[in-house]
Amino acid sequence: DAGVIQSPRHEVTEMGQEVTLRCKPISGHNSLFWYRQTMMRGLELLIYFNNNVPIDDSGMPEDRFSAKMPNASFSTLKIQPSEPRDSAVYFCASTLQRGGTGEQFFGPGTRLTVL
Amino acid sequence: GEDVEQSLFLSVREGDSSVINCTYTDSSSTYLYWYKQEPGAGLQLLTYIFSNMDMKQDQRLTVLLNKKDKHLSLRIADTQTGDSAIYFCAEKPTDKLIFGTGTRLQVFP
Repeated sequence: DAGVIQSPRHEVTEMGQEVTLRCKPISGHNSLFWYRQTMMRGLELLIYFNNNVPIDDSGMPEDRFSAKMPNASFSTLKIQPSEPRDSAVYFCASTLQRGGTGEQFFGPGTRLTVL
Repeated sequence: GEDVEQSLFLSVREGDSSVINCTYTDSSSTYLYWYKQEPGAGLQLLTYIFSNMDMKQDQRLTVLLNKKDKHLSLRIADTQTGDSAIYFCAEKPTDKLIFGTGTRLQVFP
């Protein structure tokens, strides 16, 4: 398996623009997580899905952020409009709930820079 | 509440042992985890321990769990420069992992 795939790996955009981050979880996994990592705030859970359904979005910073999971093999995290304080590394992770040790497998991340 | 705490930095000499400590609050986790993050990469599971165990050893890694004090530690024997990374402990009381702040391990010659 190729692991969790994220695209793009790097994104540089200007303030006010829409940004879409993409994630393909490991085949067969039934939970998907979006995290944000910054030096100041560390690793933050933004939202997670079980069986394509959003379960907990309490970590989403504000209405500018939205996430979807239209099917088991794809998820997006959208920021509209983007702001400089959104600059961070965004990670996607997936796991098989109730099927093992609960290990989450992380993607390589998308480094977002908002100018 | 859910809270996992770690010290932020640890610096050790190559060849020495490293001990990274973690305290957690929720005792319902079935497993507790140590993840490693190398520069420019995502987190990767390093090891885990079942909550009814006190110790787990895996080559150079030793995990100690004190459930009474809710304390987890990771010992790396014969620390190498390739061990330089950020180490996160995590608990899993529900469907989501609760991560600590991460400990940045720096290994110097």
